Amino acid sequence: EVQLVESGGALVQPGGSLRLSCSASGFTFNNYFMHWVRQAPGKGPEYISTISGNGDTTLYADSLKGRFTVFRDNSKNTLFLQLNSLRAEDTAIYYCVKDRSGTWSFDVWGQGTLVTVSP
Amino acid sequence: QTVVTQEPSFSVSPGGTVTLTCGLSSGSVSTTSHPSWYQQTPGQAPRTLMHSTNIRSSGVPDRFSGSILGGKAALTITGAQADDECDYYCVLFVGSGWVFGGGTKLTVL
Repeated sequence: EVQLVESGGALVQPGGSLRLSCSASGFTFNNYFMHWVRQAPGKGPEYISTISGNGDTTLYADSLKGRFTVFRDNSKNTLFLQLNSLRAEDTAIYYCVKDRSGTWSFDVWGQGTLVTVSP
Repeated sequence: QTVVTQEPSFSVSPGGTVTLTCGLSSGSVSTTSHPSWYQQTPGQAPRTLMHSTNIRSSGVPDRFSGSILGGKAALTITGAQADDECDYYCVLFVGSGWVFGGGTKLTVL
């Protein structure tokens, strides 16, 4: 069974940084693109970023380029998202999502980790 | 900036049929937009319903179907049930990444 478990969410002050992790199991991790999606309270999901299986290729939502960085450690089956220069509007649940190969769509979602940006 | 449009809300009677749509602020949706649909109940992560316009994810009942209608992606629920009441989001791939629609809150009553 595919499982994705996010961690690292916390309360952080504006301007601060945070690193989110996603531990993957139940599939051959390095064979799959992975994504990050976030959802602010009461809002719909928002695409953040994608990384290829070997980590060589990354994509970011235009609005988030420069502040967020996605990377992965395939030896540990773990996906990461580095969040810098955090703002109140970054407050959201952050989801790790497995790609459905060849379909340009999302497959399995983790349960998410909550990031709260507040003084 | 690409905007993906969805009806904010929709209502359907139990056993009825409803079609939710997913459009682009400029232009038409086609299969090359790779439409996909996601279902979300309160407090839960989204669940993938449909990909590649009309391919159901494993375990999704066949009362859910996808199509392209009038330049929009469409999700049709035939024989709506009470537990279909939740939020539905479409996603389109727009060349440089993915864009979510604002979601449709479906009420079954």
